[in-house]
Amino acid sequence: EVQLVESGGGLVQPGRSLKLSCVASGFTFSNYGMNWIRQAPGKGLEWVAYISSGSSYIYYAETVKGRFTISRDNAKNTLYLQMTSLRSEDTALYYCARKGGITHYFDYWGQGVMVTVSS
Amino acid sequence: DIQMTQSPASLSASLEEIVTITCQASQDIGNYLSWYQQKPGKSPQLLIHSATSLADGVPSRFSGSRSGTQYSLKINRLQVEDTGIYYCLQHYSAPWTFGGGTKLELK
Repeated sequence: EVQLVESGGGLVQPGRSLKLSCVASGFTFSNYGMNWIRQAPGKGLEWVAYISSGSSYIYYAETVKGRFTISRDNAKNTLYLQMTSLRSEDTALYYCARKGGITHYFDYWGQGVMVTVSS
Repeated sequence: DIQMTQSPASLSASLEEIVTITCQASQDIGNYLSWYQQKPGKSPQLLIHSATSLADGVPSRFSGSRSGTQYSLKINRLQVEDTGIYYCLQHYSAPWTFGGGTKLELK
C-alpha cells in the first residue's frame, strides 16, 4: 500500500524558516517524481514544487521561487521542502503527492501537514 | 501560465441524478487533464487522469470527456458518498494549475 506521511509543520513567525518532510512507503520511491501542493485554509489547491526521481529536474511555483527548496533522499525514501523567508500567505496545509505515470498528474497524496505563519 | 476555469463553483443535486462539472483551459492542453475529489478533512483523491482514464478503484459512474479545451467530469446516478469538492488539474506543463473547485452537495 502506497503511503506518504508528512511531518515538520507548526507555528512559525514571519521571516523564519521551516523544513517539511514526507516519508514514502509501499513503492519504489527512487522511481517516481514527487511534488508539494498546498491548500490555504478554506481555499483551493496550489501546486508548489516538483522534483524528478533522480533530482535532475526541479520546478517551483512563482509564489515560492527563491524562498523554498525541494529535495529528496532516495536512500531514506524521504522528500523535503525547506521553506525560508516565510510569509503569512504561506499559511496552508502542505501535501506531498506522487507524480503518476508518464504525465504529471498526482496519483497518491499524503494526509498533509499544517504550516501557520504568524507573529 | 495556463488558467483553468471551473464551473459551477457549487452544485446541489439529488440522489441518482446525473451531475456534470466542467473546466475550461486557457489554451490547448491536449488530454492532460485530471480530476480529484476532496472530502471534508481529507486529502484529495485522483478520479480521472488524461481526460478520460479512470483511476484504479474509482467507481464506473465517474467519467471524463473532452471537447476542444473544455473538459467535463460526469457522475452518473449520484450517491451520498460523492459529496465533496472536485478539482480539475492541467498536467500539460509547469506550473501545473488547478481549477477553483466545485462544491457538490446533496439536495
